[in-house]
Amino acid sequence: AQTVTQSQPEMSVQEAETVTLSCTYDTSESDYYLFWYKQPPSRQMILVIRQEAYKQQNATENRFSVNFQKAAKSFSLKISDSQLGDAAMYFCAYRSAEGDDKIIFGKGTRLHILP
Amino acid sequence: DSGVTQTPKHLITATGQRVTLRCSPRSGDLSVYWYQQSLDQGLQFLIQYYNGEERAKGNILERFSAQQFPDLHSELNLSSLELGDSALYFCASSVVGQGLNYGYTFGSGTRLTVV
Repeated sequence: AQTVTQSQPEMSVQEAETVTLSCTYDTSESDYYLFWYKQPPSRQMILVIRQEAYKQQNATENRFSVNFQKAAKSFSLKISDSQLGDAAMYFCAYRSAEGDDKIIFGKGTRLHILP
Repeated sequence: DSGVTQTPKHLITATGQRVTLRCSPRSGDLSVYWYQQSLDQGLQFLIQYYNGEERAKGNILERFSAQQFPDLHSELNLSSLELGDSALYFCASSVVGQGLNYGYTFGSGTRLTVV
């Protein structure tokens, strides 16, 4: 079974600085998708960025980018120029492209932005 | 508005009672997923329906059941409620198919409090 591990329960970063959230996953599949979701205090789940495993190029969405290392099964999220609105719980997630398509979530990293 | 509608937003009920949570997926999405998020925890997959049929099952308790109706809305039924069932219940919907790299679209959740 696939698993997703986020080893940092909490992190803090100074406003305008850069922070990297770590994620590792375990799978025997070769085709899958990876996601980062953001959950602000409103509790809404918001898709931040996604990565297809077959693509070597790292995904980027404005200030958010990922470092996808397929061989190492690592998928970290980098947030540049951190803003107060980035404060949230961030979940790393995995979705198979081969079997059932449920998304498996990590336990999350709570990110604090220090003014 | 994500396009996924969950009702009610909040629910307070007593132990031993039964409740029904409702979800209307985003227009065009055939697949509905239910997740449970306990306090400060990650999202636990409960069950998935695709076009009216159960497609995948997670660690869903026998006291819980779900169904998807011909109009594609879904209901999650929770019975013999216990204090530990207090959680945020999310519904999500997506397009399903090989090669699609979309994450889910989440509803805003139903906050269930069992007293």
